[in-house]
Amino acid sequence: EAGVTQFPSHSVIEKGQTVTLRCDPISGHDNLYWYRRVMGKEIKFLLHFVKESKQDESGMPNNRFLAERTGGTYSTLKVQPAELEDSGVYFCASSQGRGSGYTFGSGTRLTVV
Amino acid sequence: DAKTTQPTSMDCAEGRAANLPCNHSTISGNEYVYWYRQIHSQGPQYIIHGLKNNETNEMASLIITEDRKSSTLILPHATLRDTAVYYCAPLNQFYFGTGTSLTVIP
Repeated sequence: EAGVTQFPSHSVIEKGQTVTLRCDPISGHDNLYWYRRVMGKEIKFLLHFVKESKQDESGMPNNRFLAERTGGTYSTLKVQPAELEDSGVYFCASSQGRGSGYTFGSGTRLTVV
Repeated sequence: DAKTTQPTSMDCAEGRAANLPCNHSTISGNEYVYWYRQIHSQGPQYIIHGLKNNETNEMASLIITEDRKSSTLILPHATLRDTAVYYCAPLNQFYFGTGTSLTVIP
């Protein structure tokens, strides 16, 4: 079984530019989550999809972040325009349902310079 | 917000049991407690989860107190490869916290 795949693994962009991160969950997993870890701090929840619907987006920091999950398959997280404080590692995870363990991707390391 | 509290760091001798505590005093009745670990810069790895009963799998054991306000993850025979940051998370609330950095010492 393929795991959760994230693209790119690393991204370096200038402040003000746009970056789009992609996550391919495990096939059949309806639940998809985005988390991020900024330097030296804890892993924080961003949002949760159930299929194509946003179940909970309470962790999204501001309106520069836009997440989509077309057709309930892969998800993208766009940051526009990127700011320096957006630098960190963005993790995606998927699960089959409540009570199931999450499987995380390897993360995308975003550096905004 | 429900939060978890874990020691910042712990050391454990190789081959000995590592016991990692977590306080989750505000966990609600239907929330599972999950444990994950993150080795270096990899994505978090699922270890084990439980609701009320103690659980064991090939990686670890999970002891949950009767009042569910705390739990302990037990790695029965720690190896050097178990050096990682361990997170206790009531994932219904999507909160990871800062975790415990476990160092297994040869």
